[in-house]
Amino acid sequence: DAMVIQNPRYQVTQFGKPVTLSCSQTLNHNVMYWYQQKSSQAPKLLFHYYDKDFNNEADTPDNFQSRRPNTSFCFLDIRSPGLGDAAMYLCATSRVNNEQFFGPGTRLTVL
Amino acid sequence: KQEVTQIPAALSVPEGENLVLNCSFTDSAIYNLQWFRQDPGKGLTSLLLIQSSQREQTSGRLNASLDKSSGRSTLYIAASQPGDSATYLCAVSGHKFYFGSGTKLNVKP
Repeated sequence: DAMVIQNPRYQVTQFGKPVTLSCSQTLNHNVMYWYQQKSSQAPKLLFHYYDKDFNNEADTPDNFQSRRPNTSFCFLDIRSPGLGDAAMYLCATSRVNNEQFFGPGTRLTVL
Repeated sequence: KQEVTQIPAALSVPEGENLVLNCSFTDSAIYNLQWFRQDPGKGLTSLLLIQSSQREQTSGRLNASLDKSSGRSTLYIAASQPGDSATYLCAVSGHKFYFGSGTKLNVKP
């Protein structure tokens, strides 16, 4: 089945220790998104790629970076995680202006 | 900037009841509107997508409507079941997606 896969599902890191979350897709969609979602809140868009074009949200902290080496893969790097970065991180894909498909998410805990 | 509001924030109904969830948005210049379901600790599952040129979409017991001119969408769930308990989110697409905060639905057996 075509799908969006996120690894790991659960990530525990220490304060200030860099972490990388990964997302892969078999849908061959040209747009990929990273969202941060905290408890009982709406998903907050961090950035998205339209093919290789990177689009950063104005309020996304510099601590968050992303890479998309090819159509199928996208990575979220958190350079120095703080306690406030503990959240669910969601990856999604779509064709332009079309239906979004989400992965299962990665739950990040910062100790 | 697009603002998306979902009312109510939480809803509890007995099993078998028909119910309506509401979504409103401030900018009618959208490409589409999508309804999602989210179970606790999980990702978002797409339920229905309504393109801006459409008025409604149906899937099983779910029916979603879209009125762009008034900036409103509704999700109608027929004959609710305990398995429908989840948070329901709507998202509107302009150049990117804007989400509401969701309605947390509890269907009591």
